[in-house]
Amino acid sequence: EIVLTQSPGTLSLSPGERATLSCRASQSVSSSYLAWYQQKPGQAPRLLIYGASSRATGIPDRFSGSGSGTDFTLTISRLEPEDFAVYYCQQYGSSPGLTFGGGTKVEIK
Amino acid sequence: QVQLVESGGGLVKPGGSLRLSCAASGFTFSDYYMSWIRQAPGKGLEWVSYISSSGSTIYYADSVKGRFTISRDNAKNSLYLQMNSLRAEDTAVYYCARGPDSTAFDYWGQGTLVTVSS
Repeated sequence: EIVLTQSPGTLSLSPGERATLSCRASQSVSSSYLAWYQQKPGQAPRLLIYGASSRATGIPDRFSGSGSGTDFTLTISRLEPEDFAVYYCQQYGSSPGLTFGGGTKVEIK
Repeated sequence: QVQLVESGGGLVKPGGSLRLSCAASGFTFSDYYMSWIRQAPGKGLEWVSYISSSGSTIYYADSVKGRFTISRDNAKNSLYLQMNSLRAEDTAVYYCARGPDSTAFDYWGQGTLVTVSS
C-alpha cells in the first residue's frame, strides 16, 4: 500500500499570500494518478486537481498542481477567504489501496 | 447536474448491521465505477470500497474486508454498502463518490453518519 505523507500539518497564512502544500508518496504513483481535494467544515470533499496537474471542472486557476513519481505539490497562488480549509492528496493508480494523505489545514494567520 | 444522496446511517450497537444506500442522478450511472469513503469524527479520509461499472470488480480496504459488502443496482441507479459485525472504530461519516477513474473521485454525496455505540 502506498503511504502518502502531507506537510506541513498546518499552514498559517494571510489572504493574498501564496500557499504551497506538499504530498510525498512512499513509492512512485502510477501514471501520476494523484488528486487533491478541499474540505470545509461540515462539507463533503471537493475535487480540485486530478492527474497531478489537471484542474477539475469549475476550479479557479489560482489552484495548480505539479509533480510526478513520489513528490507532488498543490499551490494556491493568492489565498482568497474561501480557500481556508483542509486539503487532502490521494493516489488512485494503485488498486486496491486507494490511499489518502493525512491532510494539511490552511488557516488564517 | 450530478447528485449523490446517501441514506441509511444511524446509531447501531457493536456487532450490529446497517445498510447504506446512495441514490445517483444526473449522469449515466451504469458507466461509472462507484466508491464508499469514510471519515471518522475529527479525522482524515479513508477509502472503504469500490465497485466497477458492471459490478464484476470489487475491492475493499483491509479494515472492512469480510465484514462489509458493496453492491449496485444499475436499473435503480443505486449503490449500497451492507455493513455487518460493526465496531466502534467504524463510527464515521460515510460518503458515496463517483470513481475512481482517470479523474479520481469527481463527485461526492453529502454523507451519512454511522455511530457504533452501546
